[in-house]
Amino acid sequence: GENVEQHPSTLSVQEGDSAVIKCTYSDSASNYFPWYKQELGKGPQLIIDIRSNVGEKKDQRIAVTLNKTAKHFSLHITETQPEDSAVYFCASRAGGQNFVFGPGTRLSVLP
Amino acid sequence: GAVVSQHPSRVICKSGTSVKIECRSLDFQATTMFWYRQFPKKSLMLMATSNEGSKATYEQGVEKDKFLINHASLTLSTLTVTSAHPEDSSFYICSAGASETQYFGPGTRLLVL
Repeated sequence: GENVEQHPSTLSVQEGDSAVIKCTYSDSASNYFPWYKQELGKGPQLIIDIRSNVGEKKDQRIAVTLNKTAKHFSLHITETQPEDSAVYFCASRAGGQNFVFGPGTRLSVLP
Repeated sequence: GAVVSQHPSRVICKSGTSVKIECRSLDFQATTMFWYRQFPKKSLMLMATSNEGSKATYEQGVEKDKFLINHASLTLSTLTVTSAHPEDSSFYICSAGASETQYFGPGTRLLVL
């Protein structure tokens, strides 16, 4: 079955710097890749997603890139702010299958 | 759009009692809902997939008689933890499927004394 790895497990950046989180997946049939942000004590919130027919997607300070050949996708956050501090989860899904989540990355944005 | 609610947000119960958690999709219909359990500082662990009008599909190792799931309508799924014990204490999160993605509820923190 699908396996999703995520790195790094923790990440600290200075406010205003960029943060990059990378995920790799194993199932070449996977075609949908969402990213979720989870704040303490809350449920995960979808922040951006990308489909396998697209290489990059951007939404304001957040962008996701996908490399199907290498089977990895990355979340890029620019101009980080303290409110970006949270746990970020990547996920992958092959059509009709359940999501497989990565183990999460704890991002801390230092003021 | 795509708002999912959960109730209650937190519950404390005595060992041996049952607890029901509700998950509602507020502005869309969801034929499929998912129930996850999350341990501190861990990822999401899928417990079961709930399909409207049919029996839930449980993941390996999840006791279906202990975690009863009902998906009576396109906007409501319930998880009942029966005869709860302290080891059932956890953060339970539901999600509802819309198109190809999932939208999560705010979670329910269960503490069994």
